[in-house]
Amino acid sequence: DVKVTQSSRYLVKRTGEKVFLECVQDMDHENMFWYRQDPGLGLRLIYFSYDVKMKEKGDIPEGYSVSREKKERFSLILESASTNQTSMYLCASSIWDRANYEQYFGPGTRLTVT
Amino acid sequence: LAKTTQPISMDSYEGQEVNITCSHNNIATNDYITWYQQFPSQGPRFIIQGYKTKVTNEVASLFIPADRKSSTLSLPRVSLSDTAVYYCLVVGWNFNKFYFGSGTKLNVKP
Repeated sequence: DVKVTQSSRYLVKRTGEKVFLECVQDMDHENMFWYRQDPGLGLRLIYFSYDVKMKEKGDIPEGYSVSREKKERFSLILESASTNQTSMYLCASSIWDRANYEQYFGPGTRLTVT
Repeated sequence: LAKTTQPISMDSYEGQEVNITCSHNNIATNDYITWYQQFPSQGPRFIIQGYKTKVTNEVASLFIPADRKSSTLSLPRVSLSDTAVYYCLVVGWNFNKFYFGSGTKLNVKP
């Protein structure tokens, strides 16, 4: 079974703090994703990585950065957290295969910025 | 302009067939369509994917008309445990786009 784990289920941070969200997958997947999920908006892609040290911006990259130094690990960084970044953050992984688009999701991190 | 749209909610009864439609009018030639199920406090879980016509697996069917501007997820004989939010996701062939719908909350009643 593919397992995607996220470092925290719940996180509370103060405005202006630097925040790190960590994601690890154990299936040697090439692709990794960070989404945020908000009521009524569904899931929106923040960043996507298809290889170590490679990244592509998604729909809402502003205020976020990412790091992928190892294949199994993908980090989302909020350089200076703001209250409008309070959200559920979901990490996912998938293989690079143009016939298979299944993504495996972690349980999510609920971040509250006060 | 939303790239994928879905009804906000649907109600059904146990044992019925449920059809959830997603509209993706701007889908590109090589994009794929996928569907996910999400329970509270969990990440989404993949259900099915398709490119055209009909695809069936052990839990659902996916119908895609010839123009591919919409897709319909069909859940046969739903049970209470199928109460969840269902999302469609359009994926670029070369992993160059990912458009989630805003989700359809399915409520299955006894």
